[in-house]
Amino acid sequence: GDSVTQMEGPVTLSEEAFLTINCTYTATGYPSLFWYVQYPGEGLQLLLKATKADDKGSNKGFEATYRKETTSFHLEKGSVQVSDSAVYFCALSDPLTGANSKLTFGKGITLSVRP
Amino acid sequence: DTGVSQDPRHKITKRGQNVTFRCDPISEHNRLYWYRQTLGQGPEFLTYFQNEAQLEKSRLLSDRFSAERPKGSFSTLEIQRTEQGDSAMYLCASSLGGGAGNEQFFGPGTRLTVL
Repeated sequence: GDSVTQMEGPVTLSEEAFLTINCTYTATGYPSLFWYVQYPGEGLQLLLKATKADDKGSNKGFEATYRKETTSFHLEKGSVQVSDSAVYFCALSDPLTGANSKLTFGKGITLSVRP
Repeated sequence: DTGVSQDPRHKITKRGQNVTFRCDPISEHNRLYWYRQTLGQGPEFLTYFQNEAQLEKSRLLSDRFSAERPKGSFSTLEIQRTEQGDSAMYLCASSLGGGAGNEQFFGPGTRLTVL
């Protein structure tokens, strides 16, 4: 079945450091890929997405490129801020597992950014 | 703000009791999803509605769980004879239309603790 694997956390960085959070996936078809973020005390919200191979999703300085050859969707940011401290979830939606567009999530990784 | 709302935000109950949670999606969204999230894990799909029709249920959804969306608007999730293993965050999400690339909007969740 479909699955998403995220790198182990937590991750602690200093402000302005470069961020990479790894995500790889297994899917039956050609999924859409997402990064969701959960800030402290808030609900999950979409950070960015990519719906086909080689697409790059971007938002708030974060980027991720859909790499079909390596089945990866790594999240990057060139200079993190304290306000980026949150839990980050990689997810996929696979049209071949049903038209319901349900999301399959990774375990999530906690990012803490120090001033 | 007309985002997804969930009620209650927290529920503490004793083992064996029944509990019911409510989700109000974004008003024009025809799709509604329930997910469950345990500590240190990503959300896991439970069930999905398109309008009032429940179109898919996960194997995670035992026969103690039932969900309804009677008029295609709000939804309820009931757990009968709760067990300690039911302790989790229950998340509701909604989306407009189908398609694997459609964004799901999440509510803040209902945290259930079964004593």
